[in-house]
Amino acid sequence: LAKTTQPISMDSYEGQEVNITCSHNNIATNDYITWYQQFPSQGPRFIIQGYKTKVTNEVASLFIPADRKSSTLSLPRVSLSDTAVYYCLVGDRGSTLGRLYFGRGTQLTVWP
Amino acid sequence: EAQVTQNPRYLITVTGKKLTVTCSQNMNHEYMSWYRQDPGLGLRQIYYSMNVEVTDKGDVPEGYKVSRKEKRNFPLILESPSPNQTSLYFCASRPDRDSGNTIYFGEGSWLTVV
Repeated sequence: LAKTTQPISMDSYEGQEVNITCSHNNIATNDYITWYQQFPSQGPRFIIQGYKTKVTNEVASLFIPADRKSSTLSLPRVSLSDTAVYYCLVGDRGSTLGRLYFGRGTQLTVWP
Repeated sequence: EAQVTQNPRYLITVTGKKLTVTCSQNMNHEYMSWYRQDPGLGLRQIYYSMNVEVTDKGDVPEGYKVSRKEKRNFPLILESPSPNQTSLYFCASRPDRDSGNTIYFGEGSWLTVV
């Protein structure tokens, strides 16, 4: 079961770009990398998922180097409402692995 | 509306009194799971189910039971709750194996055991 390591917390100011890096040294060939966002007292919400190189959607980008042992979630021009806990999740694409490890996540605080 | 519904949302109970937290999803998802969240410990998986009648332990299964008799329901059972099971609980579901790790979470159930 691939586990992940993220910074415990990060601070930023409104309008800045934020990059959160996740380490997953034991990632398996079939594993995908998924990021979730969680606000207090709410369930986590899917942000983005990727396998290699770069993925971009309307809210974030995900950068994955060739060795796939780490990944970086990039949030462009953050606002106060981006203050949340961000989780990096590594797991098989559902074929056999039901166990998913969320870890402790990264608390991002955005200041005015 | 596609959703995962948990009940109750808030519960205070006493040590040893059996309780069940229900979870239901209306998306015909094969995979369902339970997590607990405690300060500083993130989300920890309790049990998961890959399909009807197929369940398996996660990282912290002690003190919990689950069942999956129907595809849409995945109740979490605490046979004899103890104070260390005071936590915020999330139920989650995911479509079939080709959907990746896009997981849908319920709104959470706050459980206090005194």
